[in-house]
Amino acid sequence: DGGITQSPKYLFRKEGQNVTLSCEQNLNHDAMYWYRQDPGQGLRLIYYSQIVNDFQKGDIAEGYSVSREKKESFPLTVTSAQKNPTAFYLCASSFVAAGANTEAFFGQGTRLTVV
Amino acid sequence: AQSVAQPEDQVNVAEGNPLTVKCTYSVSGNPYLFWYVQYPNRGLQFLLKYITGDNLVKGSYGFEAEFNKSQTSFHLKKPSALVSDSALYFCAVRASGGGNKLTFGTGTQLKVEL
Repeated sequence: DGGITQSPKYLFRKEGQNVTLSCEQNLNHDAMYWYRQDPGQGLRLIYYSQIVNDFQKGDIAEGYSVSREKKESFPLTVTSAQKNPTAFYLCASSFVAAGANTEAFFGQGTRLTVV
Repeated sequence: AQSVAQPEDQVNVAEGNPLTVKCTYSVSGNPYLFWYVQYPNRGLQFLLKYITGDNLVKGSYGFEAEFNKSQTSFHLKKPSALVSDSALYFCAVRASGGGNKLTFGTGTQLKVEL
């Protein structure tokens, strides 16, 4: 089945640790996105990538890092510099070219909790 | 910078009544507009989109949305609400031309009661 897969579903992090969230897609999409969701704040864009080996900061990139070594994969690392990392993280992907098939598809999310 | 506003945190509707969830946007150039729905602890599901053409677009589960360029709005509507429509709804915008970032609103919680 085609789709976008995030893992793990739940993740616990100790203070001062880096953790990496996985996102894989087999939809042949060019663009991939990471969003953070907090209650009452909607989805805020962390990073996005339109092509392999290239990515751009979103609105809240501080304390996060990404890589895009393969078209199918866009892992997100939450570093110790992120002071309030507890949130629900959503990965999405879409085609880049203009036209009808521009909607993004989302994974099921990873809930990160600092303990 | 592009942005989306969803002015209502929550909308309450009786089952069988029509519903409207409001969205206004700001973007350079022509917009691509989207509505998504989210159930608790799940990812977002795509409902419908406006790319070009007819201002009234129809989507999944009986939802539709009307694009109004002069008012920069893209309100979500359904003629007859169901209890199962209760969920969190997000409006999103992307500039046309491809390859640009996708910006979401803060979401509107829809509650449909018997």
